[in-house]
Amino acid sequence: DAGITQSPRHKVTETGTPVTLRCHQTENHRYMYWYRQDPGHGLRLIHYSYGVKDTDKGEVSDGYSVSRSKTEDFLLTLESATSSQTSVYFCAISNTGDNQPQHFGDGTRLSIL
Amino acid sequence: GDSVTQMEGPVTLSEEAFLTINCTYTATGYPSLFWYVQYPGEGLQLLLKATKADDKGSNKGFEATYRKETTSFHLEKGSVQVSDSAVYFCVFSGAGSYQLTFGKGTKLSVIP
Repeated sequence: DAGITQSPRHKVTETGTPVTLRCHQTENHRYMYWYRQDPGHGLRLIHYSYGVKDTDKGEVSDGYSVSRSKTEDFLLTLESATSSQTSVYFCAISNTGDNQPQHFGDGTRLSIL
Repeated sequence: GDSVTQMEGPVTLSEEAFLTINCTYTATGYPSLFWYVQYPGEGLQLLLKATKADDKGSNKGFEATYRKETTSFHLEKGSVQVSDSAVYFCVFSGAGSYQLTFGKGTKLSVIP
């Protein structure tokens, strides 16, 4: 398995609070991604990074921000969590980006009450 | 825009039955195609891939052929096992793109 660790694995929090999810990789891959998985939607891309301090928006980026200060860490922040952001969040990595498969972490289950 | 459509689930099969999960895509250029599998409580794992027309991806008894003429990438397995119970995602990556586009997933349950 690719060396990807997501933390925390589970979190319950209240509406309006800030939340940060962490993805840590030991593969030295250049590209990192954050997805959310919701019933009936498959996975949808939130943000991705193509290098240290290089990030871009995905399909469902509203309400989320990201940061990548080191190759191995990619943080996803919900500045003020809302109930619509209750979901399972997956981090993924890939080495070359273009047309290549991505390797996924085990996910973070986030519940916002 | 680019999209992928896979058959709705859930699908329930008896052990040793034949499996087909249909997948078609709409894309410009020549995408790469993948099937991912998600076992309960786990992340997604790459099952197989194909990067050009007529390529056949295979792994663990599963196969899928990249059919450009029908824009399809159907997943097949000749004899399913209980351990194949999972959600299967058809996925593509557009030519020159970093991003993956996911189908909605098909839940497969195999009963003894």
